[in-house]
Order: sequence, then C-alpha cells, then structure tokens
Amino acid sequence: EDQVTQSPEALRLQEGESSSLNCSYTVSGLRGLFWYRQDPGKGPEFLFTLYSAGEEKEKERLKATLTKKESFLHITAPKPEDSATYLCAVHPLNSGGSNYKLTFGKGTLLTVNP
Amino acid sequence: DAGVTQSPTHLIKTRGQHVTLRCSPISGHKSVSWYQQVLGQGPQFIFQYYEKEERGRGNFPDRFSARQFPNYSSELNVNALLLGDSALYLCASSWDGETQYFGPGTRLLVL
Repeated sequence: EDQVTQSPEALRLQEGESSSLNCSYTVSGLRGLFWYRQDPGKGPEFLFTLYSAGEEKEKERLKATLTKKESFLHITAPKPEDSATYLCAVHPLNSGGSNYKLTFGKGTLLTVNP
Repeated sequence: DAGVTQSPTHLIKTRGQHVTLRCSPISGHKSVSWYQQVLGQGPQFIFQYYEKEERGRGNFPDRFSARQFPNYSSELNVNALLLGDSALYLCASSWDGETQYFGPGTRLLVL
C-alpha cells in the first residue's frame, strides 16, 4: 500500500530562519510527487510537481527536491505569510485504474513568528 | 480565470440525513476528483470522474456516490449521514492528469 509520511508534524521558525520539511514515500512506482500549501479552512494550493530523482523546483522562498525515497521542501528566510500547512502527495504509477488519485501525507504545520 | 468552485461553503446536517455537494471544475478541465479531509489529516481520495465516467473509487462505503454532468461539473452525494462524515470535502480538477487544482471545499458538520 502506498504511504506518505511527513516530518516534523509541526515546525515553528523565527522570521528569516531557514529550514526544511521532509516527505518520505513508499510506492510501487512514482508518476509524480506534489507539494501543496493549505491555509486554515481552505483548499490546498498547488506549489510544485516533481517527477524524477534529482529534480529541483523553486518558487520565491521555496525549493523542492526529490530523491528515490523522499522529498524535501526547503524554506529560505521565511516570512510570517509563509505560515501554513504544507502537504506532500504522491501520484503512483499504478493507481488501481484511477488516473488521478493522489495519496497525501498528514502535512507539516509551519508557523513563522515575526 | 475562475478556479474550481464548490457549493455550499458550509453545511450542517443531522445523523441519517442526505447531503449533496457540488463542484464546477476549471474551464477546459474534464476530470474531477473528490477528497475528504478530517481535521489534522491529509485529504483522502473518494472518487475520480473523467468524461462523465467513474475512473476510480477510494475506500469509502456505498453511502458515498457521485456523478459528473455533460458540462463536467460534479455532485457528491452522501446518504445516511454519520457523525464521522463531518469533514472538509474537497473537489479537484485536472487537465493533464498530473496536476490537480483544488477548490475551497465544503465544510460539513453532522450533528
């Protein structure tokens, strides 16, 4: 069974204090790995898709990387507005007939204090 | 361009009742998926529809059903509501089968 584990569950940073969030996954084959940001009471907002080990993508203060077993979301010099829950999801190669099924982790709640 | 829209935004029902949630995908997207998110958890896959056909179903009981209309909008129906059905119900649409864009969700509270 596909599994996604995110760590830490919660992370508190001071503004400007860089850190990384981890997403470990177990799938029979990976079609893609996704990062989303979710604000309280709202739907997830798409950030990145990664397809193969060694791939990196950047957007403002965020950079996502991918290995064969895990992905990291690096946050450089975060600001209070980066506070949110960050979700990792995998799109397995064999989704049991469902082309668009995503399996999510529980997320990391990031709080950035001014 | 409008994103994925969902209605209603909030809903309160009592146990045993039935509920219908609605979703309109991003223009041009032919696939709609439904997810359930309970507090403190990641979204869990319920259904996926593509071109009005069910393409996938998650581990949810038969009380959950869905359909997709010719204009690609979708409905999620839940019968015989239980307290445990209280959650944020998310709809996502996709064009390329890879990237899913989520709507704001419908918050369902079952009393």
